[in-house]
Amino acid sequence: ETGVTQTPRHLVMGMTNKKSLKCEQHLGHNAMYWYKQSAKKPLELMFVYSLEERVENNSVPSRFSPECPNSSHLFLHLHTLQPEDSALYLCASSQDSDGQGNYGYTFGSGTRLTVV
Amino acid sequence: ILNVEQSPQSLHVQEGDSTNFTCSFPSSNFYALHWYRWETAKSPEALFVMTLNGDEKKKGRISATLNTKEGYSYLYIKGSQPEDSATYLCAPPDNYGQNFVFGPGTRLSVLP
Repeated sequence: ETGVTQTPRHLVMGMTNKKSLKCEQHLGHNAMYWYKQSAKKPLELMFVYSLEERVENNSVPSRFSPECPNSSHLFLHLHTLQPEDSALYLCASSQDSDGQGNYGYTFGSGTRLTVV
Repeated sequence: ILNVEQSPQSLHVQEGDSTNFTCSFPSSNFYALHWYRWETAKSPEALFVMTLNGDEKKKGRISATLNTKEGYSYLYIKGSQPEDSATYLCAPPDNYGQNFVFGPGTRLSVLP
């Protein structure tokens, strides 16, 4: 257990469904991230929240909608996804709210999403 | 899009062998580079944060060096063990110096 908890671990959803991924950390970190890993591709940054404000939206389609209600929780709301959105979605946190990169990220175990 | 290269893509070594792999990145806008180990079915785990040119960091049998002027970092594993089997990822800053971009990783398999 890394201190970053993601639920669910696995999710199968239809293209018309709406679902949410949840991430929780109680490490006292003030930055949280969503990453996507598609098959045979590097980890791809989706969203960054620093001090509960979104500071990065890496050209992600609007069918992915993040929410950070407080510094300990991060959600990724999903709606009308496509089969090509099937991937591993990883949440991470760090102390690095100033963007200086001096702290490594703590990752969750990920949600394996399959869109059918 | 930042071009982060890691080589080799994969390698197999025998238990007890020492090994090393490379992360190459554009040297502009550099301020830090991260190394992670990602074991199958687990979370990526931070190994090192490298910030200064010439940095050398060590954690047990694993060490890393950094050359920011020529844009590369090496990861060394001395006396590889089966539990070292994992994918090793590096992450330098992006072109804007704002976020980290992950390389494709080097997949290491240590055979007993």
